[in-house]
Amino acid sequence: QKEVEQNSGPLSVPEGAIASLNCTYSDRGSQSFFWYRQYSGKSPELIMSIYSNGDKEDGRFTAQLNKASQYVSLLIRDSQPSDSATYLCAVNSGGYQKVTFGIGTKLQVIP
Amino acid sequence: EPEVTQTPSHQVTQMGQEVILRCVPISNHLYFYWYRQILGQKVEFLVSFYNNEISEKSEIFDDQFSVERPDGSNFTLKIRSTKLEDSAMYFCASSVEQGGTEAFFGQGTRLTVV
Repeated sequence: QKEVEQNSGPLSVPEGAIASLNCTYSDRGSQSFFWYRQYSGKSPELIMSIYSNGDKEDGRFTAQLNKASQYVSLLIRDSQPSDSATYLCAVNSGGYQKVTFGIGTKLQVIP
Repeated sequence: EPEVTQTPSHQVTQMGQEVILRCVPISNHLYFYWYRQILGQKVEFLVSFYNNEISEKSEIFDDQFSVERPDGSNFTLKIRSTKLEDSAMYFCASSVEQGGTEAFFGQGTRLTVV
């Protein structure tokens, strides 16, 4: 059973701080990694994708991947109240169609 | 910006009835998916569809479920004989390439079985 683990939170950070969200996965064959943002009652919205070890930056977001440790993280710099949402880590194992999601970490940015 | 659209946004049905959830994927996308999310739980993969056939399905996707692409734009999920436990948000998604690339989700259909 391929698992994606996240702390469900909530993670509370003050406005302007860096939010750090973490995810581990069980399948060493995983090749593609995604972060989705989901507001309450809404659909997942793709924020970042990462495919190789290291960091990938896009605006205020940085995704980090360490395949040896089977660990993915998302950093949100200069957190804003509008960033308050649940962040879903999702993993695809190469050769398969499906993406396996974690439970998501609820982020609360306090003004 | 292109988007995945789903109809209806909310469907209420009686237990045992059949429902059809509809989706229009992004026009140049080739891979289509259905996911579901029971309230408070994980987003779960149901099925993927490519080249007019199912390419992968989960253990959730049993004989009660079927998918179809009846024309060049629509992608449907049929649930026969609905059960109370089928109540969930159902999300359609599409991607240009197979599951290892970025999938974009529709706004979802909330299915309530009473």
